[in-house]
Amino acid sequence: EIVLTQSPATLSLSPGERATLSCRASQSVSSYLAWYQQKPGQAPRLLIYDASNRATGIPARFSGSGSGTDFTLTISSLEPEDFAVYYCQQRSNWPGTFGQGTRLEIK
Amino acid sequence: EVQLVESGGGLVQPGGSLRLSCAASGFTFSSYEMNWVRQAPGKGLEWVSYISSSGSTIYYADSVKGRFTISRDNAKNSLYLQMNSLRAEDTAVYYCARGYTMGVWGKGTTVTVSS
Repeated sequence: EIVLTQSPATLSLSPGERATLSCRASQSVSSYLAWYQQKPGQAPRLLIYDASNRATGIPARFSGSGSGTDFTLTISSLEPEDFAVYYCQQRSNWPGTFGQGTRLEIK
Repeated sequence: EVQLVESGGGLVQPGGSLRLSCAASGFTFSSYEMNWVRQAPGKGLEWVSYISSSGSTIYYADSVKGRFTISRDNAKNSLYLQMNSLRAEDTAVYYCARGYTMGVWGKGTTVTVSS
């Protein structure tokens, strides 16, 4: 089973700042990596699929990069609604594992 | 409007059974792979099961293999998860999610396994 490790566990930033979230895979997942945002009491929301493709309706301030084992989600300028938990997920092979999440909190 | 609505959750004793349903609307259900994903209280996400659009390909997480069965009825635009031999560690919110990218999610249904 492929293990995804997200860092940092918690990121404290202010609105307007740039956020960089990392996801590292225990073996190559090619570009089969997605990012999800989850707010309390809500279902996850797809942000990025296949490492760098923004999902429908996702603002341009969200971008994804990477391939192989190292991936990054960047939020260029944080808006108040961006403070949430972010998960990466691979589906290079079954089971499609999730990372443990990064909590993005307001500083 | 594209929508997924889960139902069937509840409180069940260890060893018991539940059948979850996911009703799809606003899109051509038969064209999409479907997934069940769960989230234990205060924990992260776990991909539970996958079914292809035709139902011919199915996967399960090791944690549920042999106890859970995923199925679908394309004529009824519905996805199911039959859960048997439930354990306390199956307590979670269960979400259905559409497609390869899991770009559409339901709001979830809560399963609590407790005596």
